[in-house]
Amino acid sequence: QKEVEQNSGPLSVPEGAIASLNCTYSDRVSQSFFWYRQYSGKSPELIMSIYSNGDKEDGRFTAQLNKASQYVSLLIRDSQPSDSATYLCAVSSGYALNFGKGTSLLVTP
Amino acid sequence: KAGVTQTPRYLIKTRGQQVTLSCSPISGHRSVSWYQQTPGQGLQFLFEYFSETQRNKGNFPGRFSGRQFSNSRSEMNVSTLELGDSALYLCASSLRGMDTNEKLFFGSGTQLSVL
Repeated sequence: QKEVEQNSGPLSVPEGAIASLNCTYSDRVSQSFFWYRQYSGKSPELIMSIYSNGDKEDGRFTAQLNKASQYVSLLIRDSQPSDSATYLCAVSSGYALNFGKGTSLLVTP
Repeated sequence: KAGVTQTPRYLIKTRGQQVTLSCSPISGHRSVSWYQQTPGQGLQFLFEYFSETQRNKGNFPGRFSGRQFSNSRSEMNVSTLELGDSALYLCASSLRGMDTNEKLFFGSGTQLSVL
């Protein structure tokens, strides 16, 4: 069973702080890694993709990948109340994505 | 460019009935995937189609089936509905499928309630 594990949270951070979201995966051959954001009642929205070890930055978001440790993380700098959502980690497996169950993030004003 | 379009947005069915959900991918995308999302199990992969061929299937019973048409539009069917089939069904598309470092884009989903 190829698994993707995330802490369900909720993770609560004050406005302006850095939110750190973590994910581990079991399938060593996975090549593509994604972070999706899902607001309540909405569909998942792709916010970051990462394919090689190291950091990838896009605006306030930084994705980090360590394939040796089978670990993916997402940092959100200068967190805003509008960032409050569930963040889903997804890992490629064949023609599908395996998703974690998501971490709920709450950014408090 | 229009996104992934799913219809209908909401469905209410009773146990034993069958249901068909429709998905139109982003223009130019040839791979369509279906996922089921429930509060308990999260997002789970159902199946993926490319050029009218099913390339991958998740661990769901045979009551769940799908197909893809020559214009890349896809339908999924659930027969003999059970209460546990109540879920958000999400369709997603990509250019060629997730084996090529591509990105997957989701539609708004169909919320199915089985009574």
